[in-house]
Amino acid sequence: NAGVTQTPKFRVLKTGQSMTLLCAQDMNHEYMYWYRQDPGMGLRLIHYSVGEGTTAKGEVPDGYNVSRLKKQNFLLGLESAAPSQTSVYFCASSYVSQETQYFGPGTRLLVL
Amino acid sequence: GQQLNQSPQSMFIQEGEDVSMNCTSSSIFNTWLWYKQDPGEGPVLLIALYKAGELTSNGRLTAQFGITRKDSFLNISASIPSDVGIYFCAGHKRQGAQKLVFGQGTRLTINP
Repeated sequence: NAGVTQTPKFRVLKTGQSMTLLCAQDMNHEYMYWYRQDPGMGLRLIHYSVGEGTTAKGEVPDGYNVSRLKKQNFLLGLESAAPSQTSVYFCASSYVSQETQYFGPGTRLLVL
Repeated sequence: GQQLNQSPQSMFIQEGEDVSMNCTSSSIFNTWLWYKQDPGEGPVLLIALYKAGELTSNGRLTAQFGITRKDSFLNISASIPSDVGIYFCAGHKRQGAQKLVFGQGTRLTINP
């Protein structure tokens, strides 16, 4: 039981490049989330999903897209990366009750 | 977007000392959570609080859900070196798009 896993762990992009971050969970959770963490800002919700095939916007969705084609996977895409998207990205999942969220180890993204 | 006010932002203490930190908000939450984040890792849930006035312990950690439902407190007794990390509070609401709101974190450093 690996919990929540994220790939890659670290990535460097040039401005304008695209990439996809993958999150996988093996706990059969319905809800999945993508957050970004910046110094002094805590964790801010980008997008979330309440079940397979559904997605919804969080607090800071601009510049990101997501897809939840399979229940266990939640993908975060950056179509045209910008330096402002340099951050640490965390995926999380939870049962129907959203309070107890389990986090992955994070992906560090640097956009030059 | 809404954020919680968490204080202090950082703490430097001696091993063996007790630690107190708190989180306040201008709005009411249904659940308060406390997470700990170790360097290079994702946040891990420490304590969840579900009722106003509730006092819950997890080993040397004790957290309280404020009576007004607008604040929460976390205490760590007899600190040890492995307590080092960043502690986040999070409030959960049952309504609205952003259902889990995080504080900015308290960075705890312990001098041996």
